[in-house]
Amino acid sequence: GAGVSQSPRYKVAKRGQDVALRCDPISGHVSLFWYQQALGQGPEFLTYFQNEAQLDKSGLPSDRFFAERPEGSVSTLKIQRTQQEDSAVYLCASSPRLSAYEQYFGPGTRLTVT
Amino acid sequence: DAKTTQPNSMESNEEEPVHLPCNHSTISGTDYIHWYRQLPSQGPEYVIHGLTSNVNNRMASLAIAEDRKSSTLILHRATLRDAAVYYCILRDRGATNKLIFGTGTLLAVQP
Repeated sequence: GAGVSQSPRYKVAKRGQDVALRCDPISGHVSLFWYQQALGQGPEFLTYFQNEAQLDKSGLPSDRFFAERPEGSVSTLKIQRTQQEDSAVYLCASSPRLSAYEQYFGPGTRLTVT
Repeated sequence: DAKTTQPNSMESNEEEPVHLPCNHSTISGTDYIHWYRQLPSQGPEYVIHGLTSNVNNRMASLAIAEDRKSSTLILHRATLRDAAVYYCILRDRGATNKLIFGTGTLLAVQP
């Protein structure tokens, strides 16, 4: 079946621009996660949704980062006034279970801020 | 969050078994041990997880030490497609569902 999809796959933004990254989880998955992966590092947790409720946003690095999942399916990660340090791969993962012990990752969006 | 320690890199030959070690001396009683792998230019992929007993699935086996302070991921016959970064992760059963990744082990498989 279809896996987690993310769009766009690549995004180049000028410093100061706003960007929106989309995640389409596997249909019916209740849990959704966003991670940020810098070059050569492991992914770092940003935020977690259970259906439409954002239960954990402790990993969002600043108030320029905002995520939503209004209908409990598609999610959008928005970054306002992008900075060079925001350059990274942004990964979305979903899980069918509330326990989320097995997370299914999308291919990621590579964001480059120039 | 409890921390894991893995070698930065390992090498294996194709069709031979691979044993990837992970130390987690500060593991608590409610921590599950998870393994994920990340192939080049892809998102991480779930491999296996366990709590106390050894676990097997179609991808790999997970051997957990009796004191749970270390574990080993076993790939029974490495293929070129197994070349990836392998992450050993501890996840608290109760508190949160997020995964805390380290830097992992880069596995190279030689033909």
